[in-house]
Amino acid sequence: ETGVTQTPRHLVMGMTNKKSLKCEQHLGHNAMYWYKQSAKKPLELMFVYNFKEQTENNSVPSRFSPECPNSSHLFLHLHTLQPEDSALYLCASSQDLRTQGTQYFGPGTRLLVL
Amino acid sequence: AQSVTQLDSQVPVFEEAPVELRCNYSSSVSVYLFWYVQYPNQGLQLLLKYLSGSTLVESINGFEAEFNKSQTSFHLRKPSVHISDTAEYFCAVRPANSGYALNFGKGTSLLVTP
Repeated sequence: ETGVTQTPRHLVMGMTNKKSLKCEQHLGHNAMYWYKQSAKKPLELMFVYNFKEQTENNSVPSRFSPECPNSSHLFLHLHTLQPEDSALYLCASSQDLRTQGTQYFGPGTRLLVL
Repeated sequence: AQSVTQLDSQVPVFEEAPVELRCNYSSSVSVYLFWYVQYPNQGLQLLLKYLSGSTLVESINGFEAEFNKSQTSFHLRKPSVHISDTAEYFCAVRPANSGYALNFGKGTSLLVTP
């Protein structure tokens, strides 16, 4: 399997649930990203990891908790979410954080919070 | 900081007609520019990018974009579109000499009809 994969592709959860989104990249990259894509809004960068170390938390609420156990895997743990958190969550990876590095995106997890 | 404005939220066009998707950016530093495409139910795919050199860049499927520094634009064009080009197109910018964060526009929905 190649590229960036994300599971699950769709997720429905209640506001009291705890769930996790998984991202895996098969490109040998060292940097991984979480983005939030809401309808009619620009993609919002949430978190960045470089060589498993978090380098950016873009003022994301603590109900979103990222985890990067190794350079190939990235998780987003969700708990006590709000309906406005419903969106498409995209994972991306790049070789590293050099300025010319192209980011490669996964298909996303479409999340609905009831 | 950088920002991107995609002037058209939707562009309907007939098959085999030419199309231009507009992108303007704002930045106080030199930038790299990107166009990504998102087909239905898929993640973002890099379509083309401008890093340096020739201001006209091309993709393998017939799209091209021209970097115009004086007009701070990076419009995407195709002389003859196909039904399969129906997708959401995102323009993105990042600083050329520092940082790694991509700033995306809100996207333009291209709808190609017979």
